[in-house]
Amino acid sequence: DVKVTQSSRYLVKRTGEKVFLECVQDMDHENMFWYRQDPGLGLRLIYFSYDVKMKEKGDIPEGYSVSREKKERFSLILESASTNQTSMYLCASSAPQSTEAFFGQGTRLTVV
Amino acid sequence: SQKIEQNSEALNIQEGKTATLTCNYTNYSPAYLQWYRQDPGRGPVFLLLIRENEKEKRKERLKVTFDTTLKQSLFHITASQPADSATYLCALDMFSGGYNKLIFGAGTRLAVHP
Repeated sequence: DVKVTQSSRYLVKRTGEKVFLECVQDMDHENMFWYRQDPGLGLRLIYFSYDVKMKEKGDIPEGYSVSREKKERFSLILESASTNQTSMYLCASSAPQSTEAFFGQGTRLTVV
Repeated sequence: SQKIEQNSEALNIQEGKTATLTCNYTNYSPAYLQWYRQDPGRGPVFLLLIRENEKEKRKERLKVTFDTTLKQSLFHITASQPADSATYLCALDMFSGGYNKLIFGAGTRLAVHP
C-alpha cells in the first residue's frame, strides 16, 4: 500500500521557535508538495519540489523554507514560528506527467 | 486574478438522489482537472482525473464533466449514500516548465441524509 507519512499528527510550538515538519514517501515519486489548509481558504501551495535538491515557491512561501536532500523526504521549515502559521499542513507526492497526488494524514500545528 | 470557486455552502441531499458539485475557474488554463475527497482530520484522497480534451469521465457512481469553454467542471455522485458525506475538492493540474503543480479549490461539503 502506497504511503506518504508525516512525522507528527499534532504539534504545539511557541512563537519564535524553529519548526521542522517531515514528510516521507515510499513511491519513488519525483514531485513532492507542501500545502497548508485553513477553513474557507482550501489548500494553498507553500513549496514544491520536482527533484532532489530542487525547490519551487508556491503561492504562499513567505515564512517557510524547504529541504529535499533525498528523493523520499521533503521537509518544511518554519524559521521563526508565528501565530498566523497555526494551520493544518499537508504533504503530497506524485509521479511526473500529471497523475494523482497522494497525501499524508496531515499535521495540525498550533503556534502559541 | 486567478480564482478557483467551489460552492462554499454545504450541499444537503437525500439518500438515493444525485449530488452535483460545481468547480469554476478563471484565468487558468489547466491541462487536467482532478477531484478529491477529504474526510475530517484526514488528507485528501484522489477520485478522478479528466483531461482537457475529454468531455466526461465515469467511475462507478461518479461522473465528472469538463468544459474548457465555460471553465467549469461538474462532479456528480449518483444514488448517493450517507457514506458519501465528505468535503470534495477540485484541483487544477497546471503543467508548465516540465513539472506539475496542483492548485486546489476550497472544497464543498456534502451531507447525505438517510
